[in-house]
Amino acid sequence: NAGVTQTPKFQVLKTGQSMTLQCAQDMNHEYMSWYRQDPGMGLRLIHYSVGAGITDQGEVPNGYNVSRSTTEDFPLRLLSAAPSQTSVYFCASRAAGDNTEAFFGQGTRLTVV
Amino acid sequence: GNSVTQMEGPVTLSEEAFLTINCTYTATGYPSLFWYVQYPGEGLQLLLKATKADDKGSNKGFEATYRKETTSFHLEKGSVQVSDSAVYFCALTPPGGANNLFFGTGTRLTVIP
Repeated sequence: NAGVTQTPKFQVLKTGQSMTLQCAQDMNHEYMSWYRQDPGMGLRLIHYSVGAGITDQGEVPNGYNVSRSTTEDFPLRLLSAAPSQTSVYFCASRAAGDNTEAFFGQGTRLTVV
Repeated sequence: GNSVTQMEGPVTLSEEAFLTINCTYTATGYPSLFWYVQYPGEGLQLLLKATKADDKGSNKGFEATYRKETTSFHLEKGSVQVSDSAVYFCALTPPGGANNLFFGTGTRLTVIP
């Protein structure tokens, strides 16, 4: 029962470095998404996907790229890290439908120095 | 647009006290409404949901009723326990929305023995 697996759990980057946060789910869910969690701001949607080959921007997409080549995987790429991207990142997946439960990974705590 | 406003925290209660966390929403049409809970160091997990007006979601002693007339979905529990200490997020998905969960800012609850 892996559910949603995110790696790494912690990461420190220097300004300007790039990296990829990995997300994989084994529930055959159509929908996957990335959120960032910042104090006092709740969770904000970065990018999402409704199926393999389909991605779209959320509320705060700048500085991030995603791709969805398979149903299982939805990596998030930081192109050139900035201190403003210091945050906790969560990946989530859901089955298609308006009221299906979202399953979240355990999060990645990213610090950009 | 779609948004969720929830009671600012933090909230500190003694064990066995009554809990209310207020949540109101703005949405087009009839959204589905959710409460998610985040325990320390973990990702979010679904606590309860309601998908139409006057529905009551319940789980683990928590309840929330979908009130269309007041656009509210307040979370209640009659007698909190230390193990309920967590951050609680109210959220919605608009009807027909592909993937987008809209979250409130979260309310941190601490229950002291």
